[in-house]
This record gives sequence, structure tokens and C-alpha cells, in this order.
Amino acid sequence: NAGVMQNPRHLVRRRGQEARLRCSPMKGHSHVYWYRQLPEEGLKFMVYLQKENIIDESGMPKERFSAEFPKEGPSILRIQQVVRGDSAAYFCASSPLQAARANVLTFGAGSRLTVL
Amino acid sequence: GDSVTQMEGPVTLSEEAFLTINCTYTATGYPSLFWYVQYPGEGLQLLLKATKADDKGSNKGFEATYRKETTSFHLEKGSVQVSDSAVYFCALMGDNNDMRFGAGTRLTVKP
Repeated sequence: NAGVMQNPRHLVRRRGQEARLRCSPMKGHSHVYWYRQLPEEGLKFMVYLQKENIIDESGMPKERFSAEFPKEGPSILRIQQVVRGDSAAYFCASSPLQAARANVLTFGAGSRLTVL
Repeated sequence: GDSVTQMEGPVTLSEEAFLTINCTYTATGYPSLFWYVQYPGEGLQLLLKATKADDKGSNKGFEATYRKETTSFHLEKGSVQVSDSAVYFCALMGDNNDMRFGAGTRLTVKP
């Protein structure tokens, strides 16, 4: 049973380009969370999604960032017109639907974005 | 909204020293509380959890007790090892299923 799979593990973009980060949750998990970790800083919540539904996007910057979790396929975090300040590690985590309050999040290994 | 505040560190200890990393929370309702650990270059892994008041989570010699009266979930270990060097995150999951993390505390254990 594969864990949470994130790709790419490392992504380099020039300013103004687009970055797409993908996350495949654990089998049977229907909740996906995205977090951003800036160098030497903690984890910042970005967005919480279920299939085809954004539950909470209160941590997403208002511009250039979007996320989706379609009925089929992985969850996508999209960053348009990247800037140097977007350089960070982006972590995805998933959890199953039931017994949500006791749920453990299972994390992927992260995608490290570098903006030149 | 719900939030977690933890001791920021960094913390540097000698091997076999006693470890405490403080964590307090603010939440409505009855959250579940967690400690996650992140080793260099890796994602977060669950270390321990507690889902109701007075529960004690424990794993690998680490312990934390859910204290509702002080809204705390301090992480402790009686004798740390070099292999415990990592970043430790306190986290909370509230009634709305959102998971919120503290800023993380970097622990370095020296031989």
C-alpha cells in the first residue's frame, strides 16, 4: 500500500513561470491537505480538499495559487507566475473520511520548489 | 480560529539529557492533539497522539499528556539520543477536520 506520493520531488522554475505540484493520496483516503514550509520555518496550512470540493482555503494566498482534487487523478497545487518568495517545500498529506477527528495525517515526502 | 503555539527553539542537548518541548493550544470544541517529527530531507511522521483530555500518547520513549485545564500537550523524553535530532511539530485537529501545526522546534542532540 503506497503512501502519499508527491511529484516532482524537486522543481526549478524561473520567475514568471508556472509550477504544478501533484499529490496522490494513500489508497482509500479522500481528504487532502497542502502545507508550505519555508526555509527554517514551520508548516503553514494552505488548503484542505475533498474530492471535487475545497473545504478550507483560508491559508492560500489570494492571487496566483489554486488547488484542486478532481474525481479522478491526483490533487494539484498550481502556482502561476512564480516569484522567488514561492521557493519552499510543499507538503501534501491525506487522511481517510471516517473518524476524522482522530485521524492521523499521512504525509508525502514533499516537493521542493526553487524559483530562480 | 484554532491554533497551536510551541516553544520555538532551537534546542541543543547532550545525549541522555531530559527533553521538554512546550506546546499550548487554542481551540473551540474538543480537538485531537498530535506530535509529528521531521527528519532532515523527509516529510513529517506521526510520533504520538491523544484524542481526549487526560489521554497520554507515547512512542519511542516520548510522551505527551492532553491537559485540558492548561490547554497544553508538552512533549517529554527522559533520555534523548543523537538519533532523536529532528524538528518536532505540535499539531491540532479541530471539529472541522482542519489540521493546524505549530512553528516546529529543532532539536539537536550532541554525543
